[in-house]
Amino acid sequence: QKEVEQDPGPLSVPEGAIVSLNCTYSNSAFQYFMWYRQYSRKGPELLMYTYSSGNKEDGRFTAQVDKSSKYISLFIRDSQPSDSATYLCANPPDPTGNQFYFGTGTSLTVIP
Amino acid sequence: ETGVTQTPRHLVMGMTNKKSLKCEQHLGHNAMYWYKQSAKKPLELMFVYNFKEQTENNSVPSRFSPECPNSSHLFLHLHTLQPEDSALYLCASSPSRGTLYNEQFFGPGTRLTVL
Repeated sequence: QKEVEQDPGPLSVPEGAIVSLNCTYSNSAFQYFMWYRQYSRKGPELLMYTYSSGNKEDGRFTAQVDKSSKYISLFIRDSQPSDSATYLCANPPDPTGNQFYFGTGTSLTVIP
Repeated sequence: ETGVTQTPRHLVMGMTNKKSLKCEQHLGHNAMYWYKQSAKKPLELMFVYNFKEQTENNSVPSRFSPECPNSSHLFLHLHTLQPEDSALYLCASSPSRGTLYNEQFFGPGTRLTVL
């Protein structure tokens, strides 16, 4: 069983749409959750992190964690063409350690 | 140069060649990582170095050989690769173990094609 599962997409939405990206995880020890964004020909960069159940908001982005169902989500409001990228969820079982479990990434295209 | 840099950005090699990938971080971090990224697969952690010491080797074939001469530089030496080794190889760095949360900073990657 994979530690982190993510639908690879691709996902294509019109500009201004609300986007929902989702991951499931299997290890209940995970307490820390991250979303990375990867533009074409670039390495991933940290977009958001959250260390508890519930929501965390940052501008147009909201990260949501449901520990009871082992489900994490990233919502993008008022999506823009510049949001077109691959979004990877990541879970470090030990937030101070070196091992990260990444999802496959979901490819998102926002059409102007 | 800022952040994490990788050279070369693209590499095509035959199965009998020997080549090296280079990574340099300008962030003052103490941990460095090699990842393999293949289409439709999760990022695969290959090697971890913490304060120049290798702390993780995730069952990587011996045709991949890492080297970390100091905390700022990381190399991945390649020899007798297979076509299935074609992928994007990403280098990352992070402050070190023991920080509140361990954000990893990635380089742009080396796109490797093995013929």
